[in-house]
Amino acid sequence: QKEVEQNSGPLSVPEGAIASLNCTYSDRVSQSFFWYRQYSGKSPELIMSIYSNGDKEDGRFTAQLNKASQYVSLLIRDSQPSDSATYLCAVNGGFKTIFGAGTRLFVKA
Amino acid sequence: KAGVTQTPRYLIKTRGQQVTLSCSPISGHRSVSWYQQTPGQGLQFLFEYFSETQRNKGNFPGRFSGRQFSNSRSEMNVSTLELGDSALYLCASSLGPDNEQFFGPGTRLTVL
Repeated sequence: QKEVEQNSGPLSVPEGAIASLNCTYSDRVSQSFFWYRQYSGKSPELIMSIYSNGDKEDGRFTAQLNKASQYVSLLIRDSQPSDSATYLCAVNGGFKTIFGAGTRLFVKA
Repeated sequence: KAGVTQTPRYLIKTRGQQVTLSCSPISGHRSVSWYQQTPGQGLQFLFEYFSETQRNKGNFPGRFSGRQFSNSRSEMNVSTLELGDSALYLCASSLGPDNEQFFGPGTRLTVL
């Protein structure tokens, strides 16, 4: 079992819709959780960090964390074509950050 | 505030050679992590340094090594290069080991 799992996609949503990205992790001692966006040919860019159970909102982005279920999600509201990218879930614990393989998102204009 | 810088940006080497990559973290950041990214394997954790000490290491052979200096700058070295080492090598810095990481632009290594 991979330590951090994401659906590879591609996930295709129309412009203006909500995109929902999901991630599960296996290490129960994980403490910090992050979402990154990576455009083709570029390095990952931090979108959100979340450390406690519940929701955290930042503009059009909402991160959700459920430690009991070992589940992290990212919602993108009012999706724009510029949101088309690969989204990486990252889980940190014990001086080590593990990344999921990423979900490719396409937002159709 | 300057971001994470990595040098060189591109490298072409031949099998058997060795290579050293450099990373300068964001000012004030004391933790540096290194990752290898390939299309097939995604982002793979290499190692993390904090206060000049390697705190954790990923599942890579001993040919991959690194170090961190007192100014938090870090280098990684790959010896006896193999074709499979061709990848994008990314460095990320953070205030501390559990904090948000910020990535540099990466070094694209091609091994011929």
